[in-house]
Amino acid sequence: DSGVTQTPKHLITATGQRVTLRCSPRSGDLSVYWYQQSLDQGLQFLIQYYNGEERAKGNILERFSAQQFPDLHSELNLSSLELGDSALYFCASSTHGDNEQFFGPGTRLTVL
Amino acid sequence: SQQGEEDPQALSIQEGENATMNCSYKTSINNLQWYRQNSGRGLVHLILIRSNEREKHSGRLRVTLDTSKKSSSLLITASRAADTASYFCATAESDSWGKLQFGAGTQVVVTP
Repeated sequence: DSGVTQTPKHLITATGQRVTLRCSPRSGDLSVYWYQQSLDQGLQFLIQYYNGEERAKGNILERFSAQQFPDLHSELNLSSLELGDSALYFCASSTHGDNEQFFGPGTRLTVL
Repeated sequence: SQQGEEDPQALSIQEGENATMNCSYKTSINNLQWYRQNSGRGLVHLILIRSNEREKHSGRLRVTLDTSKKSSSLLITASRAADTASYFCATAESDSWGKLQFGAGTQVVVTP
């Protein structure tokens, strides 16, 4: 158990819908990262927050947004969902950008 | 886009044998991290090696880093059936706030 929690574990929804994925980092970690894992793209970095502020952005679609709240939990919002958004979405946390990142169990999103 | 390339893509060995996999990357890095993933589950952090380190050990794992060749290797000694998993290297580029770029992974199968 990495100490990073993600909810829900599984999400099945239809095209065009909007979903919210939630992540609670390990106690004491200020950095939160979101990654997407799909068969064709592999593991891709989406976005990073540090103590509530966005710090880095990767290949995140405009339909996707995220935020980190004062209690340090983070949410990833995916809207206007398409079939190709079906993937495993991971959250990771670390104390600092230069340290180990610990991953949560992931949310498996299926868009039908 | 993926920064790292792992070699081999797949590896099949018997229990007790050693498993070696390699990772090459393209840019200068702050650190390189190795992760294990068991069939579609979460990523388990194995080891982090910083750009000023050449070798690191953790239990049956040995990681080397050659920044002049932009490559790293992971050695698992005396492998066990429980080591069956996909292994990923991930690099944190300099000035990247810690965002990780993953390779495609090496699938390791250890047969009893």
